[in-house]
Amino acid sequence: EVQLVESGGGLVQPGGSLRLSCAASEITFTDSYMSWVRQAPGKGLEWVASINQDRSEKYYMDSVKGRFTISRDNGKKSLYLQMNSLRAEDTAVYYCARVIVVIPVTYGMDVWGQGTTVTVSS
Amino acid sequence: DIQLTQSPSFLSAYLGDRVTVTCRASQGISSNLAWYQQKPGKAPKLLIYAASTLQSGVPSRFSGSGSGTEFTLTISSLQPEDFATYYCQQLYSYPFTFGQGTRLEIK
Repeated sequence: EVQLVESGGGLVQPGGSLRLSCAASEITFTDSYMSWVRQAPGKGLEWVASINQDRSEKYYMDSVKGRFTISRDNGKKSLYLQMNSLRAEDTAVYYCARVIVVIPVTYGMDVWGQGTTVTVSS
Repeated sequence: DIQLTQSPSFLSAYLGDRVTVTCRASQGISSNLAWYQQKPGKAPKLLIYAASTLQSGVPSRFSGSGSGTEFTLTISSLQPEDFATYYCQQLYSYPFTFGQGTRLEIK
């Protein structure tokens, strides 16, 4: 079973940058679509970005387009989220998740990491 | 963007009760809907995908139904471990939006 472990969260000032990482422990990572989902304190879940296996498809929520970049290194079995120009409203727990896709249908997110906390504050 | 509206937002029920949560989509999404359970401080857990398919390892007291714009999650007999927050998510088109959540508490 794929296990996912996020890292890289922390406290950053508005306008600053952070790079989140998600390490997968099982080889099927290379065959998997992956996503980032966040949850602001006391709020619901919010999909942030997704990437396909060969990095040819990347999708973002509107409020992070141009500021966040999703990427992956299949050799290292790792997923990343580069976050620039951070705002207070980006404060959240960020989860990486594996996405079940049988083209052309996307079914859901079946494996989740434990989350890493990002706090944007001066 | 497709909006998902869950009802109710809060539900109080007894052990053994049958409960239903509804998720309505702002436009048709076929059967591209998933349900998740989240407990405080934990990551979400996939319960149901494709609107009605039970994820491996999920107890059979959970079931899902619906297609198009209206979907339901039913728990047939509430167990202590079921008290949590439940979210629907549409995976029909990007952005993959979630419902606002339904918090289920013990009465």
